[in-house]
Amino acid sequence: DSGVTQTPKHLITATGQRVTLRCSPRSGDLSVYWYQQSLDQGLQFLIHYYNGEERAKGNILERFSAQQFPDLHSELNLSSLELGDSALYFCASSRAPPGHGSDEQFFGPGTRLTVL
Amino acid sequence: DAKTTQPNSMESNEEEPVHLPCNHSTISGTDYIHWYRQLPSQGPEYVIHGLTSNVNNRMASLAIAEDRKSSTLILHRATLRDAAVYYCILRDPDDDKIIFGKGTRLHILP
Repeated sequence: DSGVTQTPKHLITATGQRVTLRCSPRSGDLSVYWYQQSLDQGLQFLIHYYNGEERAKGNILERFSAQQFPDLHSELNLSSLELGDSALYFCASSRAPPGHGSDEQFFGPGTRLTVL
Repeated sequence: DAKTTQPNSMESNEEEPVHLPCNHSTISGTDYIHWYRQLPSQGPEYVIHGLTSNVNNRMASLAIAEDRKSSTLILHRATLRDAAVYYCILRDPDDDKIIFGKGTRLHILP
């Protein structure tokens, strides 16, 4: 158990819908990272938040957005869902502030999203 | 694009050492080398990281070439539970993006 929790574990929805994925980092970790893992694309970095502020964006679509709240939990919002958005979504947390290349990331168990 | 190159898959016998290679010829002086692994149906898990010197921890050893353009993750005595996809990643302290490549799928034969 990494200490990172993600809810829900599974989500099945229809095209065009909007969903929210939730992540609670390990106690004391200020950084939250979101990743998407699909069969054909592998593990793709989406976005990084540190202490409520966005720090870096990766391959995140405009239909997707995220935020980190004062209690440090984070939500990933996916809207106008398409079949191709079906994937595993992981969040990870770490303790070190940005600018540290040596921090260890702890990954949650993931949310499996299926878009029908 | 991933900044590292790894073999797609490797096979090893149980209870034997495993050497997983990674090429990172464009590494910069400040990039850290990280290894993660992903067991079936789980999220990735940190294994080890290093900058210039070889590193050891309870899970594995990391051997870094003198020119830092390649590294090798060493599992000293593989078990069936080590069957996973192993990712070699470069972390730039000035860039918060993290790029995972395809990784190496390690098969352990009993």
